[in-house]
Amino acid sequence: NAGVMQNPRHLVRRRGQEARLRCSPMKGHSHVYWYRQLPEEGLKFMVYLQKENIIDESGMPKERFSAEFPKEGPSILRIQQVVRGDSAAYFCASSTYRGNEQFFGPGTRLTVL
Amino acid sequence: AQTVTQSQPEMSVQEAETVTLSCTYDTSESDYYLFWYKQPPSRQMILVIRQEAYKQQNATENRFSVNFQKAAKSFSLKISDSQLGDAAMYFCAYRSGETSGSRLTFGEGTQLTVNP
Repeated sequence: NAGVMQNPRHLVRRRGQEARLRCSPMKGHSHVYWYRQLPEEGLKFMVYLQKENIIDESGMPKERFSAEFPKEGPSILRIQQVVRGDSAAYFCASSTYRGNEQFFGPGTRLTVL
Repeated sequence: AQTVTQSQPEMSVQEAETVTLSCTYDTSESDYYLFWYKQPPSRQMILVIRQEAYKQQNATENRFSVNFQKAAKSFSLKISDSQLGDAAMYFCAYRSGETSGSRLTFGEGTQLTVNP
């Protein structure tokens, strides 16, 4: 049973470009969480999604960030017009149902030049 | 809002010795879960141990055990017989047990060095 998959593992963007981060949950998991880890800090919750629904986006910045988890395919975290402050590691986690253990992916390291 | 505090940015231990990492949290809830995650240089988040707040017995997983003091809101991790592979960043995390609770709230982490 494959674990949580994230791609790309490393992403470099120039200021003003768009970044798309993908997360494929573990088989049988329909709940996805995104966390951001800034350098030298702990992980901070961003958004919690179920298939086709955003359940909790209280940790998402109000502008430029969006997330989706379509009926088919991976969850996508999209960052428009990236700035240097967006440079961070972005982790995805998945669970079978709300409140159950979250399994983490390896993360995507975003670098904004 | 819940907060998690790890007051030790760095700790070190000699191989085969025991080390304790500290964690305190603040919450008004009575139903919640606490976790310790390990993040090695690969940056993969690995669950080390979990504790349900309603359980009085401290959780244990092989060389890892916790000291859960609910009244003091303290949740420390003890690593016995430390091994070189234990070197990593360790994060304490909280999750609400309420039906709406799903997010994990993390502390800032403790970098553990294991000296041979």
